Amino acid sequence: AQSVTQLGSHVSVSEGALVLLRCNYSSSVPPYLFWYVQYPNQGLQLLLKYTSAATLVKGINGFEAEFKKSETSFHLTKPSAHMSDAAEYFCAVSEGPAAGNKLTFGGGTRVLVKP
Amino acid sequence: EAQVTQNPRYLITVTGKKLTVTCSQNMNHEYMSWYRQDPGLGLRQIYYSMNVEVTDKGDVPEGYKVSRKEKRNFPLILESPSPNQTSLYFCASRGLGSGRAAYEQYFGPGTRLTVT
Repeated sequence: AQSVTQLGSHVSVSEGALVLLRCNYSSSVPPYLFWYVQYPNQGLQLLLKYTSAATLVKGINGFEAEFKKSETSFHLTKPSAHMSDAAEYFCAVSEGPAAGNKLTFGGGTRVLVKP
Repeated sequence: EAQVTQNPRYLITVTGKKLTVTCSQNMNHEYMSWYRQDPGLGLRQIYYSMNVEVTDKGDVPEGYKVSRKEKRNFPLILESPSPNQTSLYFCASRGLGSGRAAYEQYFGPGTRLTVT
């Protein structure tokens, strides 16, 4: 069975500072990993995904994430936070076609950006 | 524009009054699913459908029903809503073809349901 843990339900960063959101997963097979962003009163938007290609994945809005198999992690980073990054972020794992491509989500991390 | 639509966006109802939340996608996707989002729990899958007339339970199906009579529509039915079903609901869809595109789910804008 697959599961996802996001460390920290709330993160506060200053504008211009590094954004680091932590995600650890468990999976019985090589996983597919995703980060989604949810802006206030909106649905989920895909930020980036890892599907067994390069371990460093670049996404939209300057975000990137690195897949580290030895640490079972897929942390999300952005070098310089912008006010528009204030949102909730969800890490998700899928075990691929063999498991029906089911997505399992972490509990989410809400990011607050201070001016 | 490719999109998943849900209606209504907001709904307040009373315990036991049957309701339906509609979901429609215009991308000809085979796979559709419903999630509920609760604070600290992320999104949990309620039901999913691999194609017309093919549905299956997700992680939290109790108290919900679905149907898939047409490829584009996947309504969520609460026959007798209870306060513990107060939540934010999302519909999602994706294709079932091979390749990386098959892994990307498209989400609707959400339906906020309050059951009193």
